[in-house]
Amino acid sequence: GQQVMQIPQYQHVQEGEDFTTYCNSSTTLSNIQWYKQRPGGHPVFLIQLVKSGEVKKQKRLTFQFGEAKKNSSLHITATQTTDVGTYFCAGRSPGGYQKVTFGTGTKLQVIP
Amino acid sequence: NAGVTQTPKFQVLKTGQSMTLQCAQDMNHEYMSWYRQDPGMGLRLIHYSVGAGITDQGEVPNGYNVSRSTTEDFPLRLLSAAPSQTSVYFCASRTGQGFDQPQHFGDGTRLSIL
Repeated sequence: GQQVMQIPQYQHVQEGEDFTTYCNSSTTLSNIQWYKQRPGGHPVFLIQLVKSGEVKKQKRLTFQFGEAKKNSSLHITATQTTDVGTYFCAGRSPGGYQKVTFGTGTKLQVIP
Repeated sequence: NAGVTQTPKFQVLKTGQSMTLQCAQDMNHEYMSWYRQDPGMGLRLIHYSVGAGITDQGEVPNGYNVSRSTTEDFPLRLLSAAPSQTSVYFCASRTGQGFDQPQHFGDGTRLSIL
């Protein structure tokens, strides 16, 4: 079945440093969604990418969908303590209809 | 709107006991799903429903039952709890318009099986 891996699993950064998490799927995806889960909280939707090579920005966050639609990345510029949490990607295979597969997640810790 | 409401928030069970995790949403969403979250494994889909009366299995359905008698409610039943079912359980819902709408998650149920 479809597998979605994320690297790294954990990342500690000093406040102000940049951070990137990578999402890799074993199959081509129709779309990729990104969610953020604060410690002790629930996943919250951030953004969705649909087109090959698509890049979207939300303030300090930049999201990219690979040309082959099998990978994606989330880059945070100048991290802040409010960025702490676990970031998940989630993708749906063409024809996968209702089944969305979540990645393994990257846990970000920001050291003030 | 309350969004997605899960009860209870915490539960401790003994091996072999059964229980039902409740999930209710007030957004009139057609699609609802149950995930379990374990360290290093992300969120894994247990069961999902595309509307009242319709359910289907996800990646890890064994040991769990679901039903969907109303649009609002989607309970998850553990038939005979096992320690391997210790996890955090999240219920999520989304509109059924298209396959790519964002999911809205409840606060989760933290379940421990002794």
